[in-house]
Amino acid sequence: AQSVSQHNHHVILSEAASLELGCNYSYGGTVNLFWYVQYPGQHLQLLLKYFSGDPLVKGIKGFEAEFIKSKFSFNLRKPSVQWSDTAEYFCAVYLNRDDKIIFGKGTRLHILP
Amino acid sequence: DGGITQSPKYLFRKEGQNVTLSCEQNLNHDAMYWYRQDPGQGLRLIYYSQIVNDFQKGDIAEGYSVSREKKESFPLTVTSAQKNPTAFYLCASSKPGQGNTEAFFGQGTRLTVV
Repeated sequence: AQSVSQHNHHVILSEAASLELGCNYSYGGTVNLFWYVQYPGQHLQLLLKYFSGDPLVKGIKGFEAEFIKSKFSFNLRKPSVQWSDTAEYFCAVYLNRDDKIIFGKGTRLHILP
Repeated sequence: DGGITQSPKYLFRKEGQNVTLSCEQNLNHDAMYWYRQDPGQGLRLIYYSQIVNDFQKGDIAEGYSVSREKKESFPLTVTSAQKNPTAFYLCASSKPGQGNTEAFFGQGTRLTVV
């Protein structure tokens, strides 16, 4: 079955801590990969994306993600988080053969000042 | 400004009534999507459409219906058959093609059925 799994539902960190949010997908075809962020009361916005080429992609606000094809993973990282990173983060996958985008259940990140 | 417009932002309906949520885009995108967002459930795909006059069921299509008569518009009807319709509904669009598959989202419609 096609699915996106985000391992952590709720993460609490102190400011300046390092962050890694896990994302794995289940799909046999070609994919494009995304991380979206939803700040409290705001729209979903794109954090970063992978289509092809260098598997390490950099996004806005110091976030990066690495696509590991053999592990079907696309983990999100940030070396040092800030209080303003408090938000919900969603991993999403475009399934090329099926021509649709599916999302994980999200990870709620809470940064302590 | 180009974008996706969902209306209304808040919607209240009585149980047993059908209700239609509007989604319009002026981005010239071919693909449009409807998702439902519930706490702890992420975004679940209801219906999607890659081209005018064609659409496919997503993972939770039961109790919903859509139409795609125009490229710009993809309205979602929540029917009385939907057992738990109270939720936040998000419309998105994209222009599938190399490097263009990311989804752009509207502001959402919060539907409350009483």
